[in-house]
Amino acid sequence: DAGVTQSPTHLIKTRGQQVTLRCSPKSGHDTVSWYQQALGQGPQFIFQYYEEEERQRGNFPDRFSGHQFPNYSSELNVNALLLGDSALYLCASSLEGPAGTEQYFGPGTRLTVT
Amino acid sequence: AQSVTQLDSQVPVFEEAPVELRCNYSSSVSVYLFWYVQYPNQGLQLLLKYLSGSTLVKGINGFEAEFNKSQTSFHLRKPSVHISDTAEYFCAVSGRSYQKVTFGIGTKLQVIP
Repeated sequence: DAGVTQSPTHLIKTRGQQVTLRCSPKSGHDTVSWYQQALGQGPQFIFQYYEEEERQRGNFPDRFSGHQFPNYSSELNVNALLLGDSALYLCASSLEGPAGTEQYFGPGTRLTVT
Repeated sequence: AQSVTQLDSQVPVFEEAPVELRCNYSSSVSVYLFWYVQYPNQGLQLLLKYLSGSTLVKGINGFEAEFNKSQTSFHLRKPSVHISDTAEYFCAVSGRSYQKVTFGIGTKLQVIP
């Protein structure tokens, strides 16, 4: 049973460009959350998708957007990249249900903005 | 809103010695509490979680944590550490009505041979 997978593993972009990161949830999971982990920091919640809708959002600007597909996979898009967007982007999947349901994390995508 | 404070950024400990990683949280509502571990260049793995019931929670790899509501703490302990426990550990909290998780800044555990 494959766990959460993310692509690409690493990415280098230039300031001002746009980037798309992809996530496939663990088999059977229907909810996907995205987190940004800057160097030396804990993960920060970006947003969560369920039933192809953004259900919750953290304190991130509109440059960060996402999408969930009918097969539950998800994309994170970041427009007008800034140097400060350099980070590890983590995807986590879970089953819809009561809070406290375990989130399974992927290995992350390391984004470097130059 | 919730917040998590991990009191130690780095904890060095000799192999086979006990360790405690400290975590305090702040919340205006009842919460669920978690500890995650992150090995270099990997994602996060859940060690244990407190949802309700017994305040002493046992997790994987011999770790345990105790929920203390009066002190708003959820410290992680292991009686005897191994070299393989060298990693970064994150304490996290979520409200009971939603799945957004708020993480602490992390504690780097370095096990010394």
